[in-house]
Amino acid sequence: GNSVTQMEGPVTLSEEAFLTINCTYTATGYPSLFWYVQYPGEGLQLLLKATKADDKGSNKGFEATYRKETTSFHLEKGSVQVSDSAVYFCALRGGTSYGKLTFGQGTILTVHP
Amino acid sequence: NAGVMQNPRHLVRRRGQEARLRCSPMKGHSHVYWYRQLPEEGLKFMVYLQKENIIDESGMPKERFSAEFPKEGPSILRIQQVVRGDSAAYFCASSSIGGKKYFGPGTRLTVL
Repeated sequence: GNSVTQMEGPVTLSEEAFLTINCTYTATGYPSLFWYVQYPGEGLQLLLKATKADDKGSNKGFEATYRKETTSFHLEKGSVQVSDSAVYFCALRGGTSYGKLTFGQGTILTVHP
Repeated sequence: NAGVMQNPRHLVRRRGQEARLRCSPMKGHSHVYWYRQLPEEGLKFMVYLQKENIIDESGMPKERFSAEFPKEGPSILRIQQVVRGDSAAYFCASSSIGGKKYFGPGTRLTVL
């Protein structure tokens, strides 16, 4: 079956530091890959996505590249802000799935001024 | 356009009671998904519904759990005779056909 493994947290950084959250996956076929963010007290929001190998998703300074050879979709940001503090979830949707998502366990990010 | 609404946001039940969780999808959305997040774990798919139909319930426990999405009104996730292991955050998401999925803020169920 499909599975997603995320870097364990929590991650604590100072403002303007570089961020990497690792994500690897196992899936049959050609899944689509996603990063979701959850701010305190809110629902999950789609941050970025990639639907095929070598695609790069980007949004709000965050980037992730779909690497089929390493089955990875690591999230990066060059300079984090305090407002980026949240929980980040990596997820995949199987190639034959209608919309059902498989999530990683989430990574808590805290950014200090 | 209001987002996906879930209520209650927090629900406390004693063992053996029933829990009813409601999800109002975004306007125009006819697809609803329920996910459960146990402590220290990621979200796990439970069930996918369209209006008046259960499309995929492969993630639902076989007993005590049921879900519906009637023609009118919110989607309901019902847990009968709750046990402590049901304590979790339950998230609902909605979408239009083939559209982007929007998540609600979740209901945090605590079973005493």
